[in-house]
Formats: sequence, C-alpha cells, structure tokens
Amino acid sequence: EAQVTQNPRYLITVTGKKLTVTCSQNMNHEYMSWYRQDPGLGLRQIYYSMNVEVTDKGDVPEGYKVSRKEKRNFPLILESPSPNQTSLYFCASSLTGNSGNTIYFGEGSWLTVV
Amino acid sequence: TQLLEQSPQFLSIQEGENLTVYCNSSSVFSSLQWYRQEPGEGPVLLVTVVTGGEVKKLKRLTFQFGDARKDSSLHITAAQPGDTGLYLCAGSGSDMKTSYDKVIFGPGTSLSVIP
Repeated sequence: EAQVTQNPRYLITVTGKKLTVTCSQNMNHEYMSWYRQDPGLGLRQIYYSMNVEVTDKGDVPEGYKVSRKEKRNFPLILESPSPNQTSLYFCASSLTGNSGNTIYFGEGSWLTVV
Repeated sequence: TQLLEQSPQFLSIQEGENLTVYCNSSSVFSSLQWYRQEPGEGPVLLVTVVTGGEVKKLKRLTFQFGDARKDSSLHITAAQPGDTGLYLCAGSGSDMKTSYDKVIFGPGTSLSVIP
C-alpha cells in the first residue's frame, strides 16, 4: 500500500529541547516536502527536497532543518523548538516536483511546545 | 507572490442540500487540484484539472477550472454526512526561481453536513 509514514503522531515538548519528526515513503518518489498547518493560514511549506541530497527552503523555513540522505526518508529537525512552532505538521511526497502530480500526505504530527 | 483564496471559509448544511465552494487567485496556474482532509488525517487528492474551462465529475462532485486558469469551483450535489471535511484547493505553476512547479494551497473550506 502506498504510504507516507511520519512519527511521532503526537508530541508535547519543552522549549529548547531538540526533536526530530521522521518521515518515510514507500513509493520511490523523488520529491518530498514538509508543511505546517495552522488555523486560518492553511498549509505552508517548510522545506522541500527534489531528490537525494537536494533540499531547499520553502515559505517558512526558520527554526527548522531537514536532510535527505536516502530517497525514502526526509526527517524534520527542530534544533531549539519554540512555542510558535506548535502546529500540525505534514510530510508529503510526489513522483516529481512537476505540476499536476498527486501529492501524498502523511497522517500528520501534532506538536506542542511549552 | 501567488495567493489562493477560498470561500466560504465555513459551511454547515443539511444532508441532501447542494453546495458550491470557490477557489480564486489573481495568478494563472498550470494545474489546479482539490484535496479533502478529514479530521486526524492528511489531505487526499480528489481531482486535478489542467485545461482552462475543464469540467470533471466524480460521482456527486463536479469540479470546474476557470477559462483563464485563475479560479476553480467544486459543486456537491445532494451532500451526505460522509462529505464532511476540509476542502483544499492547490494551484501549481512555474516558479522562475526554482526548477519545479511550486504548489500553493488555499486556506480551505470547512464543510459540515448534518444528518
């Protein structure tokens, strides 16, 4: 079954404590990305990756890091989380970054930073 | 900066009613997609439209891409409780600064269908 799997699904952490949200896809997709979803603001792209070892900033990259060492994995790293990073996070993948490709989303990770 | 607006933001209707939600932009898109997101889950693709004026039907859902490829509508006939969810439109078009077609998501229309 085609899947994007992200973990953890729910996390409460404290300000400044480094955390990593993992993401894995089993569709051999080249393109992967991270979004955050906030009320009234919709989905905003944090980082994206066109392929292995190729990553770039999205619209709201501040406070986040990513890496793409393998095609299937695209972890999101918060080096020093702050309360304004409390949000619902989605990992997504598509075959390529070209227009019209289906974007497959993970189930989401609820992150609360206190 | 490309922006997508959706209206209405919230919609609560009785089962059996018809409804239309709108997605508008001042930008031209190469393609436009509609996704539905249910509580606790990620968005799932409903349809992709690529040609100006294109109309696609998916059972009780009818999607239309505007002639100028700047707007789209989603019409649901005889809504059912299973249609409840957040409907997101997403436009994709060439971004001169990158080598890929950037996807812009609208803020969504939250639909509640009451039995």
